[in-house]
Amino acid sequence: DSGVTQTPKHLITATGQRVTLRCSPRSGDLSVYWYQQSLDQGLQFLIQYYNGEERAKGNILERFSAQQFPDLHSELNLSSLELGDSALYFCASSLSGTAYGYTFGSGTRLTVV
Amino acid sequence: KNEVEQSPQNLTAQEGEFITINCSYSVGISALHWLQQHPGGGIVSLFMLSSGKKKHGRLIATINIQEKHSSLHITASHPRDSAVYICAIRGETSGSRLTFGEGTQLTVNP
Repeated sequence: DSGVTQTPKHLITATGQRVTLRCSPRSGDLSVYWYQQSLDQGLQFLIQYYNGEERAKGNILERFSAQQFPDLHSELNLSSLELGDSALYFCASSLSGTAYGYTFGSGTRLTVV
Repeated sequence: KNEVEQSPQNLTAQEGEFITINCSYSVGISALHWLQQHPGGGIVSLFMLSSGKKKHGRLIATINIQEKHSSLHITASHPRDSAVYICAIRGETSGSRLTFGEGTQLTVNP
């Protein structure tokens, strides 16, 4: 157990639907990062939150949104799902985000059918 | 061209062999990470480097900042080392986000 908890581990849903992925960071970590790993694009940065506020945005689609709650857990919302959204979604956390290492969760495997 | 290039893409070795995976990058960095991803999908952080060399068990990671190059070495490889090894950089101007290489699939045969 890395200390970063992601739920659910697997998710199968239909096109057009909306899903929410959840991440609880390692105890004490303030930064949460979301990454997408697809077969054709590899690992891509989506978005970072630090202590409840959005810190950086990557190649995140407008159909996707995220937030970090006061207890520091984070949710990634994916809507109007398309087949191409099928991927592994990873959450990682770090203490501050600039000088420290990262701890990754085990990922959520999303399959859109 | 990707900011992070890894070689080789695939590597097959016999148990006990010394293995080297290379990573080259094209931008200034504040840190470089080596990650391991097992077939189940989970990612484990192996090393974070900003200079020099680090060692953990049979794994050694080196970085040459001037040449923008890093290597991951595995000594006395074992079948349980079979995994995808991913190089990732934290660019000087990209905050704390990581940019990843495409990974090296390592298979160690008994």
